Amino acid sequence: DAKTTQPNSMESNEEEPVHLPCNHSTISGTDYIHWYRQLPSQGPEYVIHGLTSNVNNRMASLAIAEDRKSSTLILHRATLRDAAVYYCILRDFNSGNTPLVFGKGTRLSVIA
Amino acid sequence: GAVVSQHPSWVICKSGTSVKIECRSLDFQATTMFWYRQFPKQSLMLMATSNEGSKATYEQGVEKDKFLINHASLTLSTLTVTSAHPEDSSFYICSASNRPRAGELFFGEGSRLTVL
Repeated sequence: DAKTTQPNSMESNEEEPVHLPCNHSTISGTDYIHWYRQLPSQGPEYVIHGLTSNVNNRMASLAIAEDRKSSTLILHRATLRDAAVYYCILRDFNSGNTPLVFGKGTRLSVIA
Repeated sequence: GAVVSQHPSWVICKSGTSVKIECRSLDFQATTMFWYRQFPKQSLMLMATSNEGSKATYEQGVEKDKFLINHASLTLSTLTVTSAHPEDSSFYICSASNRPRAGELFFGEGSRLTVL
């Protein structure tokens, strides 16, 4: 899997939007961009994924740069429950049923 | 959505004993499951890939005789930490997918092992 680069930590105020960046300059044409998050003392949970177009779901939005070398996970209104480590991971569409390879992620703190 | 469940969520054992952790896919069949280990303040590290009906594939540096993996059915994989030592204390997490080819993976709640 191609490597991603994320800031180690970010901070946000409650009720404000959060933009979590991810750089993946070596992404290949068949790589999907996945985002997972891990709340304290829990297993990771799926947030969103996309290939080329921006994606929205009930949890977040994913904005993908036109050249696909970077993406941004957007939490529209951060809550205290969104405090977690957020992982941006590339996964090859052709890789079949392969595991996710986790980097260090971004630790998001939300301030009340 | 698909659910993966682990048991126990936490366990404390004495050094030298063995501990079994179960990982179940509750509403789908998983021919492949993955086991991770996570030490405090660190990211998840892949330990092994569990394949139903065949031997597990271990990552480099993971002792297969110490971390026994059994995937006897399409909904259950077990990880047994044999002769546990304090350095095996960690958060163990399993995952599985019902959608191969870049679909999302589902993760268990994690099992925290403390070896005294």
